[in-house]
Amino acid sequence: GAGVSQSPSNKVTEKGKDVELRCDPISGHTALYWYRQSLGQGLEFLIYFQGNSAPDKSGLPSDRFSAERTGGSVSTLTIQRTQQEDSAVYLCASSNTRGLNQETQYFGPGTRLLVL
Amino acid sequence: KNEVEQSPQNLTAQEGEFITINCSYSVGISALHWLQQHPGGGIVSLFMLSSGKKKHGRLIATINIQEKHSSLHITASHPRDSAVYICAVRQRGTDKLIFGTGTRLQVFP
Repeated sequence: GAGVSQSPSNKVTEKGKDVELRCDPISGHTALYWYRQSLGQGLEFLIYFQGNSAPDKSGLPSDRFSAERTGGSVSTLTIQRTQQEDSAVYLCASSNTRGLNQETQYFGPGTRLLVL
Repeated sequence: KNEVEQSPQNLTAQEGEFITINCSYSVGISALHWLQQHPGGGIVSLFMLSSGKKKHGRLIATINIQEKHSSLHITASHPRDSAVYICAVRQRGTDKLIFGTGTRLQVFP
């Protein structure tokens, strides 16, 4: 009965480097979300995957950000040429769009990214 | 103006007090969520509402769709309730959540 897991838990990188953040959703959950929480700021939607449908990328802040979800399970958020303003906690959540708990989102512990 | 506004931003209470946190929104929604974020950063979903009222233990959430307003109540507050409480709405016709900036609650013994 594992929850949503994310890795790494912390990542320090230099400005200009690329980073990959991983999310393992709850098994069987068809929906997967990425959010960002900058220091002192609220949560911000980034991208949403639902089954085999095309993802909703409307929250991605720039073309340096991209995400994939392979096989309808694990997702990777990639940030290219990182900038200091990318420093934030990146949170992943999954939900089961079928059943009684429809749309309740279960959050992972987050990846804390620091760009120096 | 933010699409989701919460009040108050910060709240302190003595153990045992009744607490109310308010959320107002300006967009059409299909659902509203209340989330709890602990000091360590972990986020837990407390409620998802589309109408009426829900209760779980000492927590009660209400929503008034016509007035575009929701409240989260905590009865008999306890220091372990200290956390940031976040209101989020699912905008009608989309799948993404729009978040309020959160209410930081501290309950003292």
